[in-house]
Amino acid sequence: GQQLNQSPQSMFIQEGEDVSMNCTSSSIFNTWLWYKQDPGEGPVLLIALYKAGELTSNGRLTAQFGITRKDSFLNISASIPSDVGIYFCAGLRGRAQKLVFGQGTRLTINP
Amino acid sequence: DAGVTQSPTHLIKTRGQQVTLRCSPKSGHDTVSWYQQALGQGPQFIFQYYEEEERQRGNFPDRFSGHQFPNYSSELNVNALLLGDSALYLCASSLLAGGPVNEQYFGPGTRLTVT
Repeated sequence: GQQLNQSPQSMFIQEGEDVSMNCTSSSIFNTWLWYKQDPGEGPVLLIALYKAGELTSNGRLTAQFGITRKDSFLNISASIPSDVGIYFCAGLRGRAQKLVFGQGTRLTINP
Repeated sequence: DAGVTQSPTHLIKTRGQQVTLRCSPKSGHDTVSWYQQALGQGPQFIFQYYEEEERQRGNFPDRFSGHQFPNYSSELNVNALLLGDSALYLCASSLLAGGPVNEQYFGPGTRLTVT
């Protein structure tokens, strides 16, 4: 099925470092969502973006909706151990309500 | 405020059998979507229910069917199970009647293993 291109696939960082990941598509989306999934759990919504160019923060997390509406990025500042997990971007297009997901970015943090 | 709940947590079935998974949406939500997540992949959209009808469907065969009840809860049924149906099945709820807000909230999932 169709998926967004999410990168990097995995990241290994030191505690306290900043993290950046992004998501791109060949198609336009009108909503971008970022989720975090822990092992054995469902995805948890972190940030929702609704307008091109929009920059939204949630604590140490910041996400932006790309101007072209074909991309989005997520930054995590001053990473802590509980940030470990898999981060997914997801997009909604037009009036469709089905989320299209990226392949995920697995974040590992060395204390 | 109750979040999205799913049952059962885990399920083991034999190839060819049928399975029913259940979902209760977040309080105040009216729409339920089902996703299949294979190991190491992002979730894939199966279908969505609103007002007790299937509104949209992803690229899944007719063996996958569903239902939504008047209290907005939903069931996912899979017939003639194949080994490839082994996955985490996620339910997501949202509020369609509320306008342009498209946030979907996920339950913990049901882990289905087909042997």
